[in-house]
Amino acid sequence: QKEVEQNSGPLSVPEGAIASLNCTYSDRGSQSFFWYRQYSGKSPELIMFIYSNGDKEDGRFTAQLNKASQYVSLLIRDSQPSDSATYLCAVNMDPSKIIFGSGTRLSIRP
Amino acid sequence: SQTIHQWPATLVQPVGSPLSLECTVEGTSNPNLYWYRQAAGRGLQLLFYSVGIGQISSEVPQNLSASRPQDRQFILSSKKLLLSDSGFYLCAWSAPGGGGGPPQETQYFGPGTRLLVL
Repeated sequence: QKEVEQNSGPLSVPEGAIASLNCTYSDRGSQSFFWYRQYSGKSPELIMFIYSNGDKEDGRFTAQLNKASQYVSLLIRDSQPSDSATYLCAVNMDPSKIIFGSGTRLSIRP
Repeated sequence: SQTIHQWPATLVQPVGSPLSLECTVEGTSNPNLYWYRQAAGRGLQLLFYSVGIGQISSEVPQNLSASRPQDRQFILSSKKLLLSDSGFYLCAWSAPGGGGGPPQETQYFGPGTRLLVL
């Protein structure tokens, strides 16, 4: 069965520090990888996608992909209280759909 | 730009009652459409997806059904709700075709419907 694994957390990070979120996936043929943020009671919103090995930066966010290790991560620099949310990793394992991990709950403490 | 609507926003229904949730997308043609359910504190469970009018793929056998009567309309239904149907129901769309920017599998979510079955 195709899977996307994330540590459920909670991950507690002090304000201003780097938050590191990790995700592994089972399908070696996957091509596209996504990070969504979900605030409590709200729907998920896309924050980044990546499909090439290496790093992709967007503001305070950096996505890292290592296809050989089947590993994707999200780094959040200068963490703010507003970054406190659940972060969902998603991977395409089918042309028509993506598989979501169960999410990591991130808490930024002042 | 594209927008996705879901209604109602919240719903409280008795066990055994019927259900109809509606999702519509604006600003895109022939999108792929998806229904997910999220139980409290849990991940997203894909229920149904559709790649075109009248084309529905079911991911989990249960007492729910889906229909796509129009290109940009997706409906989730049940004839008799169970207690276990409570949850946060999310509709999402993706735009097949690529052409640069985010991958065509990228999904964008509506605001969701919170359903409580009592």
